[in-house]
Amino acid sequence: DIQMTQSPSSVSASVGDRVTITCRASQGISSWLAWYQQKPGKAPKLLIYPASSLQSGVPSRFSGSGSGTDFTLTISSLQPEDFATYYCQQGHSFPLTFGGGTKVEIK
Amino acid sequence: EVQLVESGGGLVQPGGSLRLSCAASGFTFSRYAMNWVRQAPGKGLEWVSSIRGGGGSTYYADSVKGRFTISRDNSKNTLYLQMNSLRAEDTAVYYCAKDDCGADCNSHCDYWGQGSLVTVSP
Repeated sequence: DIQMTQSPSSVSASVGDRVTITCRASQGISSWLAWYQQKPGKAPKLLIYPASSLQSGVPSRFSGSGSGTDFTLTISSLQPEDFATYYCQQGHSFPLTFGGGTKVEIK
Repeated sequence: EVQLVESGGGLVQPGGSLRLSCAASGFTFSRYAMNWVRQAPGKGLEWVSSIRGGGGSTYYADSVKGRFTISRDNSKNTLYLQMNSLRAEDTAVYYCAKDDCGADCNSHCDYWGQGSLVTVSP
């Protein structure tokens, strides 16, 4: 199974800050990586797939990069609506696996 | 507009059974693989099971293999998850999710239902 390791597990930031979340796969997954945003009590929302392609309607302050085993999600200027938990997920092979999540909290 | 509406969750005793349903609309259901993903209270996301568009290929997490069965009825645009021999650790919100990859592959979920809570407790 491919293990997905996210860091940090939580980050405190202020509106306007740049936030970077990393995700590492235990083996190469090319660009078969998705990023999701989840707010409390809501279903996850797809932000990016594959690795660096922003989904339609997602603000351009979100960006993704990486391939192989190392990936990043960057929020260039944090907005109030961005406070949420973010998950990476590999789509390279079964079992599909998620990272443990990164909670972005208000500083 | 894509819509996924889960139903069938509830409280069940350990060892019991439950069947979740997911009614899909807004896309050609048979042309896409589908997934079940769960989230235990206060925990992260866990993939549970996937099924290809035609229904002929199914995949399961080790944690549910042999106890859960995924199926679909393309004539009714409905996805199912039959859950048997339920355990306390199966307690979670279960999400139905459309796979963006197509009928014959699985990679990631572009649309999610609102979730259905399953509680396994005496």
